[in-house]
Amino acid sequence: KNEVEQSPQNLTAQEGEFITINCSYSVGISALHWLQQHPGGGIVSLFMLSSGKKKHGRLIATINIQEKHSSLHITASHPRDSAVYICAVSRPTAGNLIFGKGTKLSVKP
Amino acid sequence: NAGVTQTPKFQVLKTGQSMTLQCAQDMNHEYMSWYRQDPGMGLRLIHYSVGAGITDQGEVPNGYNVSRSTTEDFPLRLLSAAPSQTSVYFCASSLFRETEAFFGQGTRLTVV
Repeated sequence: KNEVEQSPQNLTAQEGEFITINCSYSVGISALHWLQQHPGGGIVSLFMLSSGKKKHGRLIATINIQEKHSSLHITASHPRDSAVYICAVSRPTAGNLIFGKGTKLSVKP
Repeated sequence: NAGVTQTPKFQVLKTGQSMTLQCAQDMNHEYMSWYRQDPGMGLRLIHYSVGAGITDQGEVPNGYNVSRSTTEDFPLRLLSAAPSQTSVYFCASSLFRETEAFFGQGTRLTVV
């Protein structure tokens, strides 16, 4: 079983829809990261959080430490949000990240 | 600040050739890592460093070497390229373990 699981693997939405991507993890963490990767592009950090909720524009990330679960929400989705969204965790005793396999989001106009 | 700079962006190698993927950061970050990204597998850790002079193996280290002689640079060496090393490689850095990770633009490597 992977230490970081994301769902869904693929997601197609219509422009304007509210989107939720889920991430569950099975290891102790010091922080959880949400990353974005556009086709053929690099990886950009969206959020890093260890508790509660963070908001940046139309993106909201939440984490429930007790349930070992995080969600990334996109409000009023737009075609430019089409990308792969990756959940990753950093562990207290290691300097590297453990990644989920990513969620490929396609937003249709 | 340039952030994390990876070179080259694309590379084609013949089986058995060696090469070095360069990674440099100008943010004075202690933590640097190399990952490979393969379809359906997510990113997997190759090697990482917690500071100059300190490196350690990750999940898939075979066939790769690293060194960290300065805080800024963390090159990844392929000793004898194999087709199984065809992948997209990402270098990442962060100030400390619990801080935001910054990624390079990636190197798409094809071994024929």
